[in-house]
Amino acid sequence: NAGVTQTPKFQVLKTGQSMTLQCAQDMNHNSMYWYRQDPGMGLRLIYYSASEGTTDKGEVPNGYNVSRLNKREFSLRLESAAPSQTSVYFCASRGVLTSPTDTQYFGPGTRLTVL
Amino acid sequence: QKEVEQNSGPLSVPEGAIASLNCTYSDRGSQSFFWYRQYSGKSPELIMSIYSNGDKEDGRFTAQLNKASQYVSLLIRDSQPSDSATYLCAVSDYKLSFGAGTTVTVRA
Repeated sequence: NAGVTQTPKFQVLKTGQSMTLQCAQDMNHNSMYWYRQDPGMGLRLIYYSASEGTTDKGEVPNGYNVSRLNKREFSLRLESAAPSQTSVYFCASRGVLTSPTDTQYFGPGTRLTVL
Repeated sequence: QKEVEQNSGPLSVPEGAIASLNCTYSDRGSQSFFWYRQYSGKSPELIMSIYSNGDKEDGRFTAQLNKASQYVSLLIRDSQPSDSATYLCAVSDYKLSFGAGTTVTVRA
């Protein structure tokens, strides 16, 4: 049981390049989330997926797109990377959307630098 | 958009002392409250959850919730150097909203 996995762990991009961050969970969770974490800013929600087939914007969605490929996988795409997107990206999953008490589990993170 | 505010750090405490972390939130409808610990370069891990007013104890950790005052706190008793980390307060209905975190340093 690996929990939440993310690839890659590190990535360096040039401005304007595109890339996709991959996330998978093996806990049969319905909900999945993408956050970014910047120094002094805490965790900010980019997009989330309450269930397979649905996605919604979070607090900072501009410049990103997501795909909920199936119940296990939720990817985050940067179409044209900008230096402002340099950050640490965390994927998370949670059991049942209708229960606010469910615990959220995090992946190990992807450290992205955009030059 | 929920707002979650944590007391600004960093917080430095001697080994064996009590570390006290505070968090306030803006949405009165919030139902669940979590404390996550994040070591440098690592992902957040859940250490405490609390849903009802009052205290909840788990080992050296005690979470306190006061919904009327929209306030949740975390006490770390007998602080150890291994407790040195950033502590994130999170408030939930169906999505988690996080505070910016408080960095705790336990000095030997």
